[in-house]
Amino acid sequence: DAMVIQNPRYQVTQFGKPVTLSCSQTLNHNVMYWYQQKSSQAPKLLFHYYDKDFNNEADTPDNFQSRRPNTSFCFLDIRSPGLGDAAMYLCATKTWVESEKLFFGSGTQLSVL
Amino acid sequence: TQLLEQSPQFLSIQEGENLTVYCNSSSVFSSLQWYRQEPGEGPVLLVTVVTGGEVKKLKRLTFQFGDARKDSSLHITAAQPGDTGLYLCAGASNFGNEKLTFGTGTRLTIIP
Repeated sequence: DAMVIQNPRYQVTQFGKPVTLSCSQTLNHNVMYWYQQKSSQAPKLLFHYYDKDFNNEADTPDNFQSRRPNTSFCFLDIRSPGLGDAAMYLCATKTWVESEKLFFGSGTQLSVL
Repeated sequence: TQLLEQSPQFLSIQEGENLTVYCNSSSVFSSLQWYRQEPGEGPVLLVTVVTGGEVKKLKRLTFQFGDARKDSSLHITAAQPGDTGLYLCAGASNFGNEKLTFGTGTRLTIIP
């Protein structure tokens, strides 16, 4: 059974049209992450939540926002997508108490036309 | 900024051959992980190494953490087509630290 679920798997949007990607988890983990991964590159951390505490990476553009209304759900909002924002967006979770293991979702592949 | 460099970036070998992938940094990590990622999927954890010099085996895969905890290697014996994927190392600077630093990745292709 999937434990970190991302919807949709594929998302197409238009240049400048806001888009929201969603992530849900059944693991009750404290920490949730959003990563951006471009083709054959390493995942790049955009931001993460420890419970409701939001932590933004210094080089994450303002165009990217996030919401975590409760433990189970986290959203990535891209306010004005550009062509350079086309990528795989990965959600991951981790429990603070236990090991370093991250549980990843299957990702959302975003295309910008 | 902590950086993890992986080499080689791309590797294509015949089924049955052996290979080694390297993950190097100038920074010390409290633990290091290896992930494998298949196209269209998220990365899946293979192993975590914690102690300097530690060696862990997972079937045909052997993982080693450097004595100084700055580098790691992944050795695959008798590679199979199912080993094809993107291999990522990731380091944590402190236990329980929320952030992992991912390596640059090695794209491995095993040719039947």
